[in-house]
Amino acid sequence: DIQMTQSPSSLSASVGDRVTITCQASQDISNYLNWYQQKPGKAPKLLIYDASNLETGVPSRFSGSGSGTDFTFTISSLQPEDIATYYCQQYDNLPPETLTFGGGTKVEIK
Amino acid sequence: QVTLKESGPVLVKPTETLTLTCTVSGFSLSNARMGVSWIRQPPGKALEWLAHIFSNDEKSYSTSLKSRLTISKDTSKSQVVLTMTNMDPVDTATYYCARIPAYCSGGSCYSRAVKFDYWGQGTLVTVSS
Repeated sequence: DIQMTQSPSSLSASVGDRVTITCQASQDISNYLNWYQQKPGKAPKLLIYDASNLETGVPSRFSGSGSGTDFTFTISSLQPEDIATYYCQQYDNLPPETLTFGGGTKVEIK
Repeated sequence: QVTLKESGPVLVKPTETLTLTCTVSGFSLSNARMGVSWIRQPPGKALEWLAHIFSNDEKSYSTSLKSRLTISKDTSKSQVVLTMTNMDPVDTATYYCARIPAYCSGGSCYSRAVKFDYWGQGTLVTVSS
């Protein structure tokens, strides 16, 4: 199975800061990667799909990039409402279709 | 409006079988190449994908849990059911169901597990004697 290594596991930043999270796949996954935001006590919410596409209704301060094994998720200007844990998720190109999440990155306000 | 809602026992004993139901509305389990997946999250830990099923009844399971899981659907009731056998305290988690949208490319749409666009609120299942 493909493993997803996400870093850092947590970070603290100030409002307005640029925040970057990375996700590394154990093998080439092309652009088959999504990013989710999970606020405390809530279900995850899809933010970015196929590595760099913004889901409808998601603020443009969120962005994603990368392909192959290395991916980046960025919040261009951290807002108080962005406090959450962020997860990457990969999906397979071929059957059996399995999906794997990264370990998560908890984002806090400094 | 698309909604998913999980239901099932709050507490199960070790070695018992867990049965969870996901009731969906706002979309049909019988067409449009959509699917429903189960994902769990132990307290304070990361998300873990468990299984999914598509409108054409194609299924897939987590490699590590495959021997314990069964996913099925009842289209007439708009429900997807997950059973997990031989429950253990390490299986204590919030269990979510989520929709997999149809994957569309080049003018055609397919059943393909790519992303989760709508989620249920989750249900916490505790395994304890």
